[in-house]
Amino acid sequence: KQEVTQIPAALSVPEGENLVLNCSFTDSAIYNLQWFRQDPGKGLTSLLLIQSSQREQTSGRLNASLDKSSGRSTLYIAASQPGDSATYLCALETSGSRLTFGEGTQLTVNP
Amino acid sequence: GAVVSQHPSRVICKSGTSVKIECRSLDFQATTMFWYRQFPKQSLMLMATSNEGSKATYEQGVEKDKFLINHASLTLSTLTVTSAHPEDSSFYICSATDSYQPQHFGDGTRLSIL
Repeated sequence: KQEVTQIPAALSVPEGENLVLNCSFTDSAIYNLQWFRQDPGKGLTSLLLIQSSQREQTSGRLNASLDKSSGRSTLYIAASQPGDSATYLCALETSGSRLTFGEGTQLTVNP
Repeated sequence: GAVVSQHPSRVICKSGTSVKIECRSLDFQATTMFWYRQFPKQSLMLMATSNEGSKATYEQGVEKDKFLINHASLTLSTLTVTSAHPEDSSFYICSATDSYQPQHFGDGTRLSIL
């Protein structure tokens, strides 16, 4: 059974800092890994999707990496802004389009 | 881009009431829809997988008679929480895919049972 762990559970940083969120998983037999953003009381917004054969994806100030051999992914956020404050979830897709989510990292960027 | 609409966004009702939540794919045909539940400060837990025209597949520990799922068309799936009780209070989120693209998520339904 796939288990997904996200560290840290919560993170508070001043505006402008670069930061790294971590995601680890136990089963490397995945189709892809996604990072999502969730604002309070809202649904999910997909940020980046890394296919199993890829090692990283970039979108604007976000960069996500994937190392299947070690069962790890990181989400790097450059020059953080208060609007980046949200909960960030990683999720792994396995067979049948099933997604297994981590418990998320709650990020607060202080002005 | 693809959009999934979920309705209602918030429901408050008395214990014993049955509540129906709708999930619609607005610009693609969703061959598969998923229903998740999220308790406060916790992650999303898959409740069931629904394929159009067939019975839903429920995850272990999810009562299929309690959480009725109907996926009668390629654009609509419904989740009915039957005889809801306070312990059913949670945030319910649906997602949809046509198997060619990643799941697209609705905005969720906050269910509060008094």
